[in-house]
Amino acid sequence: DVKVTQSSRYLVKRTGEKVFLECVQDMDHENMFWYRQDPGLGLRLIYFSYDVKMKEKGDIPEGYSVSREKKERFSLILESASTNQTSMYLCASSLLIFDSLNTEAFFGQGTRLTVV
Amino acid sequence: KNEVEQSPQNLTAQEGEFITINCSYSVGISALHWLQQHPGGGIVSLFMLSSGKKKHGRLIATINIQEKHSSLHITASHPRDSAVYICAVPLETSGSRLTFGEGTQLTVNP
Repeated sequence: DVKVTQSSRYLVKRTGEKVFLECVQDMDHENMFWYRQDPGLGLRLIYFSYDVKMKEKGDIPEGYSVSREKKERFSLILESASTNQTSMYLCASSLLIFDSLNTEAFFGQGTRLTVV
Repeated sequence: KNEVEQSPQNLTAQEGEFITINCSYSVGISALHWLQQHPGGGIVSLFMLSSGKKKHGRLIATINIQEKHSSLHITASHPRDSAVYICAVPLETSGSRLTFGEGTQLTVNP
């Protein structure tokens, strides 16, 4: 079974703190993604990476950065957490890009982050 | 207008009922994904289809590429089917990344 594992299920952080969300996949996938999910807005892409040390901005990258030093690990960094970053964060991975007919998306269990 | 629209947003059913969730999208795609999210938050992939119909147990997914529409059906629904169901497509306008519908919250009562 493909496993995408996020380091925490629940996190509470203070405004201004630097926050690290970690994601690890064990299937040697090239592509990894970070999304946030908010009521009424669905999943929105923050950043994605298609190779080690490669990253591309998604739809809402402001206030976030990412790191991919190893193929299996993709980290999301909140440089200075703010209350509007309170959300559910989901990591995903895929072997190929999504317009390939044989590409399935595999998701982590999610991290519910609260910034107070 | 959202590029991927789902209906209904919320659906409550009695155990045993036949369920239909709909997804419409605005541009041409190569494949459509149906995903399931349980209350704990994790998301699992149910189907990926590019034409016709796929069946897995009590779940059936259909797609009409010409009409840009897909449906997810659940036969003989059960309380354990209660979850959020999300459709997602790789829209050309988003560089082949997935674009998601807002999700349909399904509650099946015993």
